[in-house]
Amino acid sequence: EPEVTQTPSHQVTQMGQEVILRCVPISNHLYFYWYRQILGQKVEFLVSFYNNEISEKSEIFDDQFSVERPDGSNFTLKIRSTKLEDSAMYFCASSELLLRDTEAFFGQGTRLTVV
Amino acid sequence: AQSVTQLGSHVSVSEGALVLLRCNYSSSVPPYLFWYVQYPNQGLQLLLKYTSAATLVKGINGFEAEFKKSETSFHLTKPSAHMSDAAEYFCAVSDHSGNTPLVFGKGTRLSVIA
Repeated sequence: EPEVTQTPSHQVTQMGQEVILRCVPISNHLYFYWYRQILGQKVEFLVSFYNNEISEKSEIFDDQFSVERPDGSNFTLKIRSTKLEDSAMYFCASSELLLRDTEAFFGQGTRLTVV
Repeated sequence: AQSVTQLGSHVSVSEGALVLLRCNYSSSVPPYLFWYVQYPNQGLQLLLKYTSAATLVKGINGFEAEFKKSETSFHLTKPSAHMSDAAEYFCAVSDHSGNTPLVFGKGTRLSVIA
């Protein structure tokens, strides 16, 4: 069964360092998303990506964040200079169509710990 | 703006007992509503969704949810809990354009006691 895969499953980084979280969406999907969940809080939307550009982003997704689809399979989230408050579980998701017509499939998540 | 409130961060039921996980939403437009489940060390998996067809929606693993517009609720139920149902459950809302991202609740952790 097709699935969204995320690597690494857990990343520890020092404050101020750059991190790249990687995702491989399901191959025929067109819409890609990043969400995050700070421990004990809601799953929050970060950004959606379609047709090689950002289609929507939240207030959380500031200039420290960027997304890229460097090739036909990967979808990455980069945090340029990590802060302690960036520690969270980051989920990648993809969908074939708009959400009214299909469902979003989520990866297992990457737990980012900033120390 | 849309939002979701899940009442109870942790619910504990006995095996074989009724499962009821509460979700209330706020939306200025007709909503699409979803329940996702997250098993330990796994991603979010769609249980069921409401997209304006039948108000009673049946999902996987024996779960169902009923959309009640008058109560702005979309509670998740299962008649008889299994040990394997122990997981984190998330309610989420989108809108009918399908173009807005999912807005999630905080999640409810379900424990099933033997």
